[in-house]
Amino acid sequence: DVQMTQSPSNLAASPGESVSINCKASKSIGKYLAWYQQKPGKANKLLIYSGSTLQSGTPSRFSGSGSGTDFTLTIRNLEPEDFGLYYCQQHNEYPLTFGSGTKLEIK
Amino acid sequence: QVTLKESGPGILQPSHTLSLTCSFSGFSLSTYGMGVSWIRQPSGKGLEWLASIWWNDDTYNNPSLKSRLTVSKDTSNNQAFLKVTSVDTADTATYYCTHTLPANWFAYWGQGTLVTVSS
Repeated sequence: DVQMTQSPSNLAASPGESVSINCKASKSIGKYLAWYQQKPGKANKLLIYSGSTLQSGTPSRFSGSGSGTDFTLTIRNLEPEDFGLYYCQQHNEYPLTFGSGTKLEIK
Repeated sequence: QVTLKESGPGILQPSHTLSLTCSFSGFSLSTYGMGVSWIRQPSGKGLEWLASIWWNDDTYNNPSLKSRLTVSKDTSNNQAFLKVTSVDTADTATYYCTHTLPANWFAYWGQGTLVTVSS
């Protein structure tokens, strides 16, 4: 199985700031990484797939980069609604696997 | 507009079989490339992919659950199903169904259904 190591586990930032979340795969997954946002009481939301392709409706302040084993989700100019949990997921091979999550909190 | 909704028993006893239903709209599991996946999340923990079923009846299961999983579909009623046999307390989790696209990302999610395994 491809192990996904996500860091940091917790992150505190203020609105207007930029943050980065990292995801490292235990072997090359090409460009096949997705990012999701999870918030209480809401359905999980796909933000980015194939490493850097924004899902329809994802604000442009979100961006994804990386390939092979190392990937980054960057959120620029944080908005209050961006706070929550973020997960990466490799979609290169079965079994599909997720990172352990990053909790983004308001400082 | 794609929507999905999971339904299940809420609570069941150890060793029993968990049966979950995903009712969806906005796409058809008879359309080329469409899939439904099941994912679970124990409270306060991360996400675990369980199984996927595709428009062409192909299915994929997480080998970590060995042969306990069965995924199926009813195309005419826009439903997908998951059965988990021999449940124990470690199967207590929120179970999600998702609209899955051919490159295996989860485009839309249901709100999830909480399943508690307890005697």
